[in-house]
Order: sequence, then structure tokens, then C-alpha cells
Amino acid sequence: RKEVEQDPGPFNVPEGATVAFNCTYSNSASQSFFWYRQDCRKEPKLLMSVYSSGNEDGRFTAQLNRASQYISLLIRDSKLSDSATYLCVVNRGNYQLIWGAGTKLIIKP
Amino acid sequence: IAGITQAPTSQILAAGRRMTLRCTQDMRHNAMYWYRQDLGLGLRLIHYSNTAGTTGKGEVPDGYSVSRANTDDFPLTLASAVPSQTSVYFCASSGGQGPDTQYFGPGTRLTVL
Repeated sequence: RKEVEQDPGPFNVPEGATVAFNCTYSNSASQSFFWYRQDCRKEPKLLMSVYSSGNEDGRFTAQLNRASQYISLLIRDSKLSDSATYLCVVNRGNYQLIWGAGTKLIIKP
Repeated sequence: IAGITQAPTSQILAAGRRMTLRCTQDMRHNAMYWYRQDLGLGLRLIHYSNTAGTTGKGEVPDGYSVSRANTDDFPLTLASAVPSQTSVYFCASSGGQGPDTQYFGPGTRLTVL
């Protein structure tokens, strides 16, 4: 089993809809959590950190559930420009960031 | 320069050849990282450096070496390339002593034949 697992998708979603995806992690000692966005053939870029209390940045909401060992990302009022691959990242300490393989999101007009 | 640059952008290399991928950052970040990204897999850490003069092994270090002579540069060397090293290589940096927010270069697409 991979240490960080994501549904690869693709999630095909109409513009304006709400979409959510989860990421599970297996190491209970993981210390911090992030969502990165990666456009096709480009470098990953930080979307948001994930805090225990949950956090929101505009249309994006991230949640952490330590008991069940998953993090989630919710995108409201999706835009065509949200089409990308979303990477779940877990920091297990000692300079080790563990990356999920990503969830591909396609927003359709 | 703004951020992180990598060179070359892409390269086709014969197996057995030596290759150095270059990475330079101008953000004065202490920590730097090399990852490889393969289809269906997440980014995997090859080597890292938490400050100039120190380096450490990541998840997949075999066949690769790095050096960190100064803050800005973090080259990755393949001593004798093999086809399984065909991948996209990303260099990244972060501002603290640990892996907080990472900033990535545009990547190097390497094909080993």
C-alpha cells in the first residue's frame, strides 16, 4: 500500500459545480499536510496548507481528519482554469515530503 | 533570474553516459531538493540539502549524486545513466530549515536510451 493514496480520476465536472476529493495517508506520525496543483507538463505549485482546524482560501477549502487519516479538498464554483492535477503531500518529518500521485480534474464548459 | 532555474530543459542521453542536471535559485533559500516524477507515481525525493555544505539521501538516491558548494546551486549528477532513469526531474527549494512551502523549477525531461 502506498503511504499517500489518491484517486487518480479524472474527475469530469461541469463549470460552476462543486467538487471534492480525498487523500489518505498511512503514517499516523505525519506532521503537516499540503495540497499542490500541477498543470500539464509544468512544475507543482502550492495551493494551500492543511490545518487541523480546516482552512479556506476563496473557493478552496481543505480539511484534515487525523482520526481517519485523510485530508480533503473542496472546490466551489469551479472554473475552467481549475483544470489541473491536484497533489496531496504529507510531511512525515526528517525532510521527507511524501507525494501522492495526484487527482486529475477536468472542468467542462 | 527569478525563482529557480533548471538546465537543460530536456535531454536525450545514451545509456552509460554521465550527465549533470543544473539547478540554481536566487531566493537565498537554505533547503534544496531533487525529485523525479514518473507516470502514475508521486514525486519521489532523490537527494536533499538543508543548507550549503550538507546533503542527504532521499527515497531513491541510487545512481545519483549531489553537491551543495553554495546556497544557490544544487547540481544532480547521473554517473552512468540507465534507461530506468528516464523521468522528469524537478529541483525545489524552501526557505526554512525544513520542508515547508517548496518552490519548484520548471523541470528537466530526461530520456535515457
